[in-house]
Amino acid sequence: EDQVTQSPEALRLQEGESSSLNCSYTVSGLRGLFWYRQDPGKGPEFLFTLYSAGEEKEKERLKATLTKKESFLHITAPKPEDSATYLCAVIMAAGNKLTFGGGTRVLVKP
Amino acid sequence: GAVVSQHPSRVICKSGTSVKIECRSLDFQATTMFWYRQFPKQSLMLMATSNEGSKATYEQGVEKDKFLINHASLTLSTLTVTSAHPEDSSFYICSAISPGLAGGPETQYFGPGTRLLVL
Repeated sequence: EDQVTQSPEALRLQEGESSSLNCSYTVSGLRGLFWYRQDPGKGPEFLFTLYSAGEEKEKERLKATLTKKESFLHITAPKPEDSATYLCAVIMAAGNKLTFGGGTRVLVKP
Repeated sequence: GAVVSQHPSRVICKSGTSVKIECRSLDFQATTMFWYRQFPKQSLMLMATSNEGSKATYEQGVEKDKFLINHASLTLSTLTVTSAHPEDSSFYICSAISPGLAGGPETQYFGPGTRLLVL
């Protein structure tokens, strides 16, 4: 069965304290892995798409990487406005449905 | 990025009434849209896939007669919660597929969500 697991479930950081979020997956025929950011009471906001192992994408303080079994979202020198839930999702070779992980709730304290 | 809107953003209704939620892709055409439901502190749960011009495909356990989906155009899908009950209260989010870049997979862009409260 295809699975996507995110860890940790919650992360409390001090402003400036860099950290990484993990998304591990067991799917057959990965076609793409997506990272989204979701603020409370809002829909997910698209961050990155990663297609193949070894690929990296960056946006401001965020950097996403991909291996054959997992993806990391690195947050460098986070600010309070980086507080949100970060969702990882995968799409398989067949079909167009996203399979989501449970998310990581990040709180950055000033 | 592509923009997806939802209307209304919040709705309160009485038990037994029906509620319609609209999902629009504003700057691209979407042959496929998705409807999700999200409970507090949980991830998104896919309810159904909405295909323009054809019947929606529902996930296992989702009542198609209760959650009516219509995808009448390439930019609009609607979800109607029929005979709503308090247990239908939730956060409903739609998404639309935008074509991928350089042959990669398409990207799903999400609407802002609709908070439904059934009294």
